[in-house]
Amino acid sequence: EAGVVQSPRYKIIEKKQPVAFWCNPISGHNTLYWYLQNLGQGPELLIRYENEEAVDDSQLPKDRFSAERLKGVDSTLKIQPAELGDSAVYLCASSLSNPEGADTQYFGPGTRLTVL
Amino acid sequence: AQSVTQPDIHITVSEGASLELRCNYSYGATPYLFWYVQSPGQGLQLLLKYFSGDTLVQGIKGFEAEFKRSQSSFNLRKPSVHWSDAAEYFCAGGTNAGKSTFGDGTTLTVKP
Repeated sequence: EAGVVQSPRYKIIEKKQPVAFWCNPISGHNTLYWYLQNLGQGPELLIRYENEEAVDDSQLPKDRFSAERLKGVDSTLKIQPAELGDSAVYLCASSLSNPEGADTQYFGPGTRLTVL
Repeated sequence: AQSVTQPDIHITVSEGASLELRCNYSYGATPYLFWYVQSPGQGLQLLLKYFSGDTLVQGIKGFEAEFKRSQSSFNLRKPSVHWSDAAEYFCAGGTNAGKSTFGDGTTLTVKP
């Protein structure tokens, strides 16, 4: 079974440029998450989708960040324009909703963004 | 606020020695708790999880963790560490589906 796929793995851009990250979750997983991970810290949730609906985007900086999951499968996270402080690893995870709650999340390898 | 705390930023152990990584949680109700491992340049891999029931949880790679309500802890243990265990370890917790909060991680170094 293929895991969560993310691309690109690395991205270097200049500030004020746009950037997009792509994630393909594990087949059949209805829940998809985007996390931000700064160096030396744990992942922080940016947005969570259940199918194509964003059910938690409270931590997404909506002035410059956007995300979509149009068909409830793969997803794109965009930053426009990028700022120096956006340099981080962007992780995607997916899970299959568990009626008991606290779904087990499976993570992709992440995209390491460097903004110059 | 609901949270997970990992008190140790960095731990060094000798190969073959035992390991315990600490995790404390702050939730009103019994949380769901997880331990993940992250190798350099990789995503997080689930080691084990606690939802309910037996408070001693067995995971992959020889790891186990014990949920202790009285101490609000969920410490990760391994009886004998291998060099390949060197990585960063994250504890995570939550009370609702998809609302996990991660600690800041503990970096494990294994000495030969």
